[in-house]
Amino acid sequence: QTVVTQEPSISVSPGGTVTLTCGLSSGSVSSRHYPSWYQQTPGHAPRALIYDTKTRPSGVPDRFSGSIFGNKAALTITGAQADDDSDYYCVLCLGSGIWVFGGGTKLTVL
Amino acid sequence: EVQLVESGGGLVQPGRSLRLSCAASGFTFDDYAMHWVRQGPGKGLEWVSGIDWNSGSTGYADSVKGRFTISRDNAKRTLHLQMNSLRPEDTALYYCARDVAATILGGWYLDLWGRGTLVSVSS
Repeated sequence: QTVVTQEPSISVSPGGTVTLTCGLSSGSVSSRHYPSWYQQTPGHAPRALIYDTKTRPSGVPDRFSGSIFGNKAALTITGAQADDDSDYYCVLCLGSGIWVFGGGTKLTVL
Repeated sequence: EVQLVESGGGLVQPGRSLRLSCAASGFTFDDYAMHWVRQGPGKGLEWVSGIDWNSGSTGYADSVKGRFTISRDNAKRTLHLQMNSLRPEDTALYYCARDVAATILGGWYLDLWGRGTLVSVSS
């Protein structure tokens, strides 16, 4: 069974830059997995930040950016703000309409 | 108002069945693929299943394949998830979510979510 891996937790200082990654238990992540990223705050539904590796949906600030970094997908937050303190999930499409979420990264801004 | 409203959750014994529904309003339902995503108590998100706009393609997570069936009724603007042989590990908040694309083949994202319906599997 394929597992999508993420850092369990990361901290960043306000105004700082942080990169979250998304890997596969077996193999490398590439653009053909159409990596996307979601932000979720407690008690709320997730919100899409990035899709198709690096595209931002309308309304998402440009301090959020996506890329492939080595053999993983990456979400970079530039100029972190207090309200970026949230859980972040990546999701990969494994083909044939099968999607898998990563375990999530709890980002602390302090 | 553009919204998704889930229903059908509840407390059920292991091995029993439950059928979830998601009522869509405020948009052209059959323009979009739809998905179910769940979140166990204190846990992360888990994609459960997805279905194309015309039910032409469906997909399931390994954890539910063979037990759950996704379906949609475009005339009634409703998405369903039939859950059989339920297990305690199926306990979760189940979200209905809209894909911005018409197919589940990837490359897009989920842009509209319901508030979820809670399923508890316990004896």
